[in-house]
Amino acid sequence: GENVGLHLPTLSVQEGDNSIINCAYSNSASDYFIWYKQESGKGPQFIIDIRSNMDKRQGQRVTVLLNKTVKHLSLQIAATQPGDSAVYFCAESPGGFQKLVFGTGTRLLVSP
Amino acid sequence: NAGVTQTPKFQVLKTGQSMTLQCAQDMNHNSMYWYRQDPGMGLRLIYYSASEGTTDKGEVPNGYNVSRLNKREFSLRLESAAPSQTSVYFCASSSRDRGQDGYTFGSGTRLTVV
Repeated sequence: GENVGLHLPTLSVQEGDNSIINCAYSNSASDYFIWYKQESGKGPQFIIDIRSNMDKRQGQRVTVLLNKTVKHLSLQIAATQPGDSAVYFCAESPGGFQKLVFGTGTRLLVSP
Repeated sequence: NAGVTQTPKFQVLKTGQSMTLQCAQDMNHNSMYWYRQDPGMGLRLIYYSASEGTTDKGEVPNGYNVSRLNKREFSLRLESAAPSQTSVYFCASSSRDRGQDGYTFGSGTRLTVV
């Protein structure tokens, strides 16, 4: 069935380090992926997205990599800051934008 | 500010009580959704409305009903609340366009059923 999962439930880094959050997906028909950031008590906030016809996309301090061969998605955060501390979710769109399937999330903890 | 607005932000219910969670969006999005989020888990789709006048079940619809009142508003109703429905509920809306404004979430309703 459709499944989006994460390898690491919690990631602890030092301020200034680069962070990498990983996500595995199982539906090869998915053609669109989104990374969300969720701070405590708030709703998910869009970070970056990527379509399946791309393997890399860069934003401000963030990069998403997509490896369709092994159904793997990663989010790289450069020069991680304490304000980046949050839970990060990947989500896939398995055919049609309307039904996003979410992973369980990775908590990123950034120490000063 | 443009976005998705949910009310109430917090609610405590007794088992068996009913209530309606309200959601409104002002982005002229066609589609709207209700998700629930349980501790340590991702979001699970309860119901969605692809367009005004239509609703469909998601992954976990049991115990809930929805109404797409108009293009802006999509409500979620619990007819007889159960402790298993204690969760944080998120409403979202989307357009056909992908990208940052394509799929937007509200700030959530924290519901406790005792």
